Amino acid sequence: TQLLEQSPQFLSIQEGENLTVYCNSSSVFSSLQWYRQEPGEGPVLLVTVVTGGEVKKLKRLTFQFGDARKDSSLHITAAQPGDTGLYLCAGADAGGTSYGKLTFGQGTILTVHP
Amino acid sequence: KAGVTQTPRYLIKTRGQQVTLSCSPISGHRSVSWYQQTPGQGLQFLFEYFSETQRNKGNFPGRFSGRQFSNSRSEMNVSTLELGDSALYLCASSLGSLNTEAFFGQGTRLTVV
Repeated sequence: TQLLEQSPQFLSIQEGENLTVYCNSSSVFSSLQWYRQEPGEGPVLLVTVVTGGEVKKLKRLTFQFGDARKDSSLHITAAQPGDTGLYLCAGADAGGTSYGKLTFGQGTILTVHP
Repeated sequence: KAGVTQTPRYLIKTRGQQVTLSCSPISGHRSVSWYQQTPGQGLQFLFEYFSETQRNKGNFPGRFSGRQFSNSRSEMNVSTLELGDSALYLCASSLGSLNTEAFFGQGTRLTVV
């Protein structure tokens, strides 16, 4: 059974601060996706990383996939109140048979105070 | 391009009843996956359908079932509802090959009383 451990579980910061969310596993994933979810809504895809060592930037958000494709991080620079939400990492099985199945981390609830 | 549509958005059912949820994927997407989201367990995979065939299944009891139609729309059914089935049910749409991105609907909030 593949597991993704996401940390921290909760993050409460002031506007303008930087933060990093981590996603770790002992399993190799073929790709890893990051989502943001608002209360009562479905997760919205932010980015997909596929290659080990890959770094992707989305405005103030920087995503990194570990060299061994077992871990990933999300770094937010100068956080804003609009960044508040639940951040989820999700890995696709590298085994090649788990079609349509993503393994999700438990999520990080981020609150950015004005 | 329309997104993933789930209906209904909210449902209240009584223990023992059954419920059917619907998901219309993004046009051109042939894969639909279903997830259950609860505060304690997070997002857990239920099953995945591609071209009307179930390709993958999670660890849920047989009370949870699904199907997919020729137009890729999917339904999931939960029979003999239990209080613990209260959750946000999400469907995700994708092209269906490995590593393709999954796009989620807004979910159906099911409350069992």
